[in-house]
Amino acid sequence: EVRLLESGGGLVQPGGSLRLSCAASGFTFSKYAMSWVRQAPGKGLEWVSSISDTGLRASYADSLKGRFTISRDNSKNTLYLQVIGLRGDHTAVYFCAKMSRGSNTSPFDSWGQGTLVTVSS
Amino acid sequence: IVVTQSPGTLSLSPGERVTLSCRASESVSSNLAWYQQKPGQAPRLLIYGASYRATGIPDRFGGSGSGTDFTLTISRLEPEDFAVYYCQQYDISPLTFGGGTKVEI
Repeated sequence: EVRLLESGGGLVQPGGSLRLSCAASGFTFSKYAMSWVRQAPGKGLEWVSSISDTGLRASYADSLKGRFTISRDNSKNTLYLQVIGLRGDHTAVYFCAKMSRGSNTSPFDSWGQGTLVTVSS
Repeated sequence: IVVTQSPGTLSLSPGERVTLSCRASESVSSNLAWYQQKPGQAPRLLIYGASYRATGIPDRFGGSGSGTDFTLTISRLEPEDFAVYYCQQYDISPLTFGGGTKVEI
């Protein structure tokens, strides 16, 4: 059974930074691309970033480039999202999602339960 | 690529047939997925490749279309099907979601 467990969310002051983690199990992590998708309160889904199976290819939503950095450690079966310069509009539930192939352009076939990031003073 | 879903909300009864629409601003071939999300839960993949059901998805869910116009059909609504449905293109980055269609009682 695929399991994705996000952590690292919480209350952060504007301008602050944090690192989200996603611990994966139940599948061969190094064979699949992974992504972060977020959902602001009461809003729809927004793709944030994806990283290929090897970690060599990363892609980002245009509006988030420069503030968000995705990475992965295949030896630890863990996905990361480093965020700097947080603003109020970054408040959202951040979901970790497994992609169905090794490439960054494939559907999300498994999702974690999400971690809430709240940006407020 | 902008993905647009219609309608925004559908009010229906159990047992009814429902058709949800999704349109992409340019062709995405068949690289289109549908997800279901219930309140407080993560999304769940229903359909990928425009028409292939994901593992464990009941056959009352069906997808069709290619290019720019897609449809998700639920042949007979069950109580557990009342949720928000999103389509998403994965043909080209940035990956984009539609705004969602809420299916309510």
